[in-house]
Amino acid sequence: GQQVMQIPQYQHVQEGEDFTTYCNSSTTLSNIQWYKQRPGGHPVFLIQLVKSGEVKKQKRLTFQFGEAKKNSSLHITATQTTDVGTYFCAGQDQGGSEKLVFGKGTKLTVNP
Amino acid sequence: NAGVTQTPKFQVLKTGQSMTLQCAQDMNHEYMSWYRQDPGMGLRLIHYSVGAGITDQGEVPNGYNVSRSTTEDFPLRLLSAAPSQTSVYFCASSRGQLITDTQYFGPGTRLTVL
Repeated sequence: GQQVMQIPQYQHVQEGEDFTTYCNSSTTLSNIQWYKQRPGGHPVFLIQLVKSGEVKKQKRLTFQFGEAKKNSSLHITATQTTDVGTYFCAGQDQGGSEKLVFGKGTKLTVNP
Repeated sequence: NAGVTQTPKFQVLKTGQSMTLQCAQDMNHEYMSWYRQDPGMGLRLIHYSVGAGITDQGEVPNGYNVSRSTTEDFPLRLLSAAPSQTSVYFCASSRGQLITDTQYFGPGTRLTVL
């Protein structure tokens, strides 16, 4: 079945440093979504990427979808303490699956 | 709109007990799903529904039943609780599935099975 792998599992940075998490799917995706989960909270939608090679920005966050639509990345510039949380990618298989498969997430901690 | 609501927030069960986790949404969303979240395992899909009267299995369906008699409600039943079902359970809904829409998650139910 479809697998979505995410690295690294943990990342600790000093405030002001950049952060990147990577997501790789075993199958070609029709789209990929990114979610953020604060400690003790629930996942909250950040963005969806649909097109091959797509790049989207949200303030300090940059999201990319690979040309082959099998990988994606989330980059945060100049991290802040408010960025703390776990970031998940989730992909829908291009074969028309009705399921969204989540990666295991990258837990980000930021040292002030 | 209340969004996606889940009850209870916390629950402790003994092995072998049964219970129902409630999930409701007031956004008229067609697609609803249940996930469980375990440390280091991310979110794993248990069951999902693309509309009232239609349900299907996800990645980890064993030990759980669902039904979707209305658009608003999607309860998850644990038939005979086991310690391996100790987890945080999230219900989610989205508008449609033509292109996977934004999943709106409920606040979660933290379940402990002794």
